[in-house]
Amino acid sequence: EVQLLESGGGLVQPGGSLRLSCAASGFTFSGYAMAWVRQAPGKGLEWVSTISGTGSDTYYSDSVRGRFTISRDNSKDTLYLQMNSLRAEDTALYYCAKLLSYRDKYGDYRYYFDYWGQGTLVTVSS
Amino acid sequence: EIVMTQSPATLSVSPGERVTLSCRASQSVNGNLAWYQQKPGQAPRLLIFGSSTRAPGIPARFSGGGSVTEFTLTISSLQSEDFAVYYCQQYNDWPLYTFGQGTKLEIK
Repeated sequence: EVQLLESGGGLVQPGGSLRLSCAASGFTFSGYAMAWVRQAPGKGLEWVSTISGTGSDTYYSDSVRGRFTISRDNSKDTLYLQMNSLRAEDTALYYCAKLLSYRDKYGDYRYYFDYWGQGTLVTVSS
Repeated sequence: EIVMTQSPATLSVSPGERVTLSCRASQSVNGNLAWYQQKPGQAPRLLIFGSSTRAPGIPARFSGGGSVTEFTLTISSLQSEDFAVYYCQQYNDWPLYTFGQGTKLEIK
């Protein structure tokens, strides 16, 4: 059974830093790209960042690029999100999600979120 | 960025009814569309990928359709456990995935 367990959230002042972790189990962690998706209180879902299975490729939304860093430790089956220069608008529930690939009708590989963790809450406030 | 628009924002329906949720993309997503269900206090759960393929373990009452920019999620006979918020998401524009704002299904 796939399990994703986030941790590391909490209350931080504007300009501060936090490091989120996501412990994975139930699948071969290194074989899958992983992502962080957030949800502000009472709002919809927003993709934040994605990392390839090897960790060699990383991607960020414009809203966090230059402030957040995604990484992974495949020896520990753990995904991370280092968040610096936090702003009030970063307040959200942060989910880690596993990506699954398949070939679409054009023969291209596509990746969608097949499993999500329960999330960890980050609150940025003075 | 591909903008995803869902309608309506809220739908009041009775158990047993058939309901169709809509999702529109600002440009073609080549069928690379997923639907997720989210209940209060829970993580999103994948229902549909590839616009019409049910994820493992998803009941047959859930079906996805559409193409190009217009997509639907149909629940053939609403069960009590189906009242939740539903999100569509395009994954055609890698890695800039975008979600709709959600449709809340509430009990009438």
